[in-house]
Order: sequence, then structure tokens, then C-alpha cells
Amino acid sequence: QKEVEQNSGPLSVPEGAIASLNCTYSDRGSQSFFWYRQYSGKSPELIMFIYSNGDKEDGRFTAQLNKASQYVSLLIRDSQPSDSATYLCAVNIGVDQGGKLIFGQGTELSVKP
Amino acid sequence: EAQVTQNPRYLITVTGKKLTVTCSQNMNHEYMSWYRQDPGLGLRQIYYSMNVEVTDKGDVPEGYKVSRKEKRNFPLILESPSPNQTSLYFCASSFGVIGLHEQFFGPGTRLTVL
Repeated sequence: QKEVEQNSGPLSVPEGAIASLNCTYSDRGSQSFFWYRQYSGKSPELIMFIYSNGDKEDGRFTAQLNKASQYVSLLIRDSQPSDSATYLCAVNIGVDQGGKLIFGQGTELSVKP
Repeated sequence: EAQVTQNPRYLITVTGKKLTVTCSQNMNHEYMSWYRQDPGLGLRQIYYSMNVEVTDKGDVPEGYKVSRKEKRNFPLILESPSPNQTSLYFCASSFGVIGLHEQFFGPGTRLTVL
């Protein structure tokens, strides 16, 4: 089992819809969870991070964390064509391994006008 | 401008010819890291550094070396490149512990080993 898993997609949604991106992880000791966005040919950039169970909202983005079920999700409301990118979930592995961050393979999102 | 820079951005080389990819950050970050990105495999950590002269292996360190002689620089060295090291490489830096803080990524270096 991979340590961090995401559906590779592509996930296609119409403009204005809610896009839901999911990520599961294997290490119950993980403490921090990140969502990065990567446009084609560009470097990843941080969208959100979440440490505690529940929801965290930032503008059109909401991160949801459920440590009991070991999943973290990203909701994008009112999706725009400019949101079309690959979304990377990243999880720190191991309480003592502060330097290790494991990325999922990414979910490609396409928002159709 | 706060940034992470990498050089070269593109490199085509041949098997066995030693190469170095430079990485520099101007944000006074303690932590730096190297990743490779391959289709279907996502970003995988090669090495990371917690401070000057302190480095540790990531998930895929075989065939790579790093050094951290200065806080701002973290070069990636391939002593004897092989075709399976053809990939897109990213350097990243963060203010604090990599697993707990945002990382800032460089623009990437696309390496082809023939």
C-alpha cells in the first residue's frame, strides 16, 4: 500500500461547480497535511495546510481532515478554469521524522468553461 | 524577491558524466530539500537538510549526493548519472521543519541522461 494515495484523475467539473479531491494516508502518526497546486510545467505552490481534525476554510478552498479514517480532502467551490491544475496531497510521515514529507501522485483537475 | 533558484533549468547529458545541479535560496531558511518528479509517481524526496552540514536521506537517495556548506546553497550531485535518473528535479526550502511548514519550490531542472 502506498503511503499517500490520490486518484490520478483526470477529474473534470464544469465551471462554477464544486471540485472534491481526496487523499488517504497510511501512517496514523502523521501530524500535518498539505495541499499543493501545480500548473503544467511549473513548480508546486502551497494552497492549504491542516493539522487538526475538521474543516479549514480559506476563500473558495476548504480542507477537511479525518484522522480516524486517515483521509484528507480539498474542496474547491465555484471552480474556475484557472483552477485547472494537478493537486498534490502531502503528508508528514512519522512523528520523529520532521524532515520527511510524502507526496501523493497528484490528481489532475480540469474545469470546463 | 524571495525565491529559490536552480541551475541549470534543462540539462541533457550522457551516462557516467558527473553533474551538479545548484540550488540557492535567499529567505534564510533552515531546511532545504531535493525532490524528483516522475509521471505516475509524484514527488519523491531525495535528500533533505536541517541546517549547515546536517543532511539526511529521503525516500530515493541512491545515486545522489548533497552538501550543505552554506545556509543558502544545497547542490545536488550525480556522480555517475544513469538513464533511470532522467526526471524533473525540484529544490525546496522551508523556514522550519519540512513536515510542519510550507515549502517554497524552485522552478525545476529537467534532466535527461542518455
